Amino acid sequence: ILNVEQSPQSLHVQEGDSTNFTCSFPSSNFYALHWYRWETAKSPEALFVMTLNGDEKKKGRISATLNTKEGYSYLYIKGSQPEDSATYLCAFITGGGNKLTFGTGTQLKVEL
Amino acid sequence: GAVVSQHPSWVICKSGTSVKIECRSLDFQATTMFWYRQFPKQSLMLMATSNEGSKATYEQGVEKDKFLINHASLTLSTLTVTSAHPEDSSFYICSAKEPIGGRDTQYFGPGTRLTVL
Repeated sequence: ILNVEQSPQSLHVQEGDSTNFTCSFPSSNFYALHWYRWETAKSPEALFVMTLNGDEKKKGRISATLNTKEGYSYLYIKGSQPEDSATYLCAFITGGGNKLTFGTGTQLKVEL
Repeated sequence: GAVVSQHPSWVICKSGTSVKIECRSLDFQATTMFWYRQFPKQSLMLMATSNEGSKATYEQGVEKDKFLINHASLTLSTLTVTSAHPEDSSFYICSAKEPIGGRDTQYFGPGTRLTVL
């Protein structure tokens, strides 16, 4: 059974703080790592698809890095805003398939 | 672009009845659609993968006779929970993938909250 773990489970920060969370996954047979942002009552929104060791991707104030050899990815948010409040999910694909195995997510709340 | 809708957003039904959930890709053709389930405080768990025009592939432990999946067109997949019981109460969410490659993004619907009384 593949295990994807995310930490912390939840996080409260003040507006303007920068923050980061971790996604750990099995390093063998790696294919791709996805990050999603999920606001309550909305569809999960795709942030990044990461495939190569050392990948670094950026979308506005959000960026992510990937280490496939040690099996982790970091998601960073610079200067958090209240609209960043959401659950951030990572999901892992092995060996050329379609199947996403999800972590339980990090719930971020940004307070004024 | 890449919008997926899901209907209904919530449903309450009596034990023993069947419930159908629709998943539509609104602005792209999805040869592959996925159905997930999420129980409280747990991660999204894949139930089945459906390819247009063929039988769905179910994950281990998911009863195919209970969770009927139909993917009759490139923009519509349906999940029918047959003879629903209270333990089937959960959050069901679909996703769709464009026919490009295995790594590419899956676009999710907003989900359906099913409560079986």
